[in-house]
Amino acid sequence: DIQMTQSPSSLSASVGDRVTITCQASQDISNSLNWYQQIPGKAPKLLIYDASNLETGVPSRFSGSGSGTDFSFTISSLQPEDIATYFCQQYHNLPVFGGGTKVEIK
Amino acid sequence: EVQLVESGGGVVRPGGSLRLSCAASGFTFDDFGMSWVRQAPGKGLEWICGINWNGGSTRYADSVKGRFTISRDKAKNSLYLQMNSLRAEDTALYHCARDRSGSDGRYFDYWGQGTLVTVSS
Repeated sequence: DIQMTQSPSSLSASVGDRVTITCQASQDISNSLNWYQQIPGKAPKLLIYDASNLETGVPSRFSGSGSGTDFSFTISSLQPEDIATYFCQQYHNLPVFGGGTKVEIK
Repeated sequence: EVQLVESGGGVVRPGGSLRLSCAASGFTFDDFGMSWVRQAPGKGLEWICGINWNGGSTRYADSVKGRFTISRDKAKNSLYLQMNSLRAEDTALYHCARDRSGSDGRYFDYWGQGTLVTVSS
């Protein structure tokens, strides 16, 4: 089974900061990776698909990159409404989610 | 507007069974794959099973294989999850999620709010 290691598990940053989350796959998954945002009390929302493609309607401050085993997700300028937990998810084999990164405002 | 509404959750004893439903609206149900994703209290997301657009392909996580069955009803625009031999570790909020690729587990572009399943004696 493919394992997804996401880090950090939590972070605290100031409004306007650049925030980066990483996800590492236990084997090569090409670009078969998505990123989701889950605001507390809400269902997850797809933000990035195929590692680097922005979902329609998602603000351009969100971006993703990587291929193979190493991926990153970036918020270029953190906004108060970005407070959430972010998950990566691979679909190269059976879908598996990373452990999540809780993003808070400092 | 795309809507996914889960129902059927509740409290069940270990070893018991439960059937979850997900009512879909606002899109052509037959065009999309569907999956169930669960979230244990305070924990992350776990994909547990998926079904492709026509029901011809299903896949399961090892944690539920042989105990859970996913199915869909085209006429009722509904997705189902039959859960048997329930264990304490199955306690979670169960979300249904739409897969826009039509497959049994790739891109989950819409999610329901979930229905809570508690397995306890």
